[in-house]
Amino acid sequence: KAGVTQTPRYLIKTRGQQVTLSCSPISGHRSVSWYQQTPGQGLQFLFEYFSETQRNKGNFPGRFSGRQFSNSRSEMNVSTLELGDSALYLCASSAKYYTEAFFGQGTRLTVV
Amino acid sequence: AQKVTQAQTEISVVEKEDVTLDCVYETRDTTYYLFWYKQPPSGELVFLIRRNSFDEQNEISGRYSWNFQKSTSSFNFTITASQVVDSAVYFCALSEATNTGNQFYFGTGTSLTVIP
Repeated sequence: KAGVTQTPRYLIKTRGQQVTLSCSPISGHRSVSWYQQTPGQGLQFLFEYFSETQRNKGNFPGRFSGRQFSNSRSEMNVSTLELGDSALYLCASSAKYYTEAFFGQGTRLTVV
Repeated sequence: AQKVTQAQTEISVVEKEDVTLDCVYETRDTTYYLFWYKQPPSGELVFLIRRNSFDEQNEISGRYSWNFQKSTSSFNFTITASQVVDSAVYFCALSEATNTGNQFYFGTGTSLTVIP
């Protein structure tokens, strides 16, 4: 079974631009979560989607948004990028509630 | 307030030594789930174990063992006879049943270095 796939692996963007990250979950998994990892703040929950509905959202500004498609693939978008958005963005998929999540290798975003 | 605390930021051990990684959690839920993940330099988080709040049995998987104690709100992880391949950052995480979805609260991680 293929694992969680995130694309692209690396991105360099300029302040003020917007970016879209993609995540393909494990086949059959309907829950997709996104996390931001930075040296200062650690791993922080962004949001979670299940069957195309956002079920939970972390404490991030509205510049961070996401969506999930009918095939469970998910995208997250960050608009008006700031230097502080530089981070590793991790996507995780789960088969159902309260079970283990399987993570992708992440997208490393650098904002210059 | 921090829901998951990993007080050990960095640990170094010599190969074949045993090492215990500490995790203390905080929740008001009676039903919750605890996890350990390993993050090697490649970046992805690798799932190691899941425990629910009603199962306090300790678990052993090869060189890995976990000690869950509700009385002290701890879920510690021991690696026996450590190997260089165990070098990574280890995260403890909590998921609460009152959440509407899958949301993990992660600790700040413990960076383990195993010296050959």
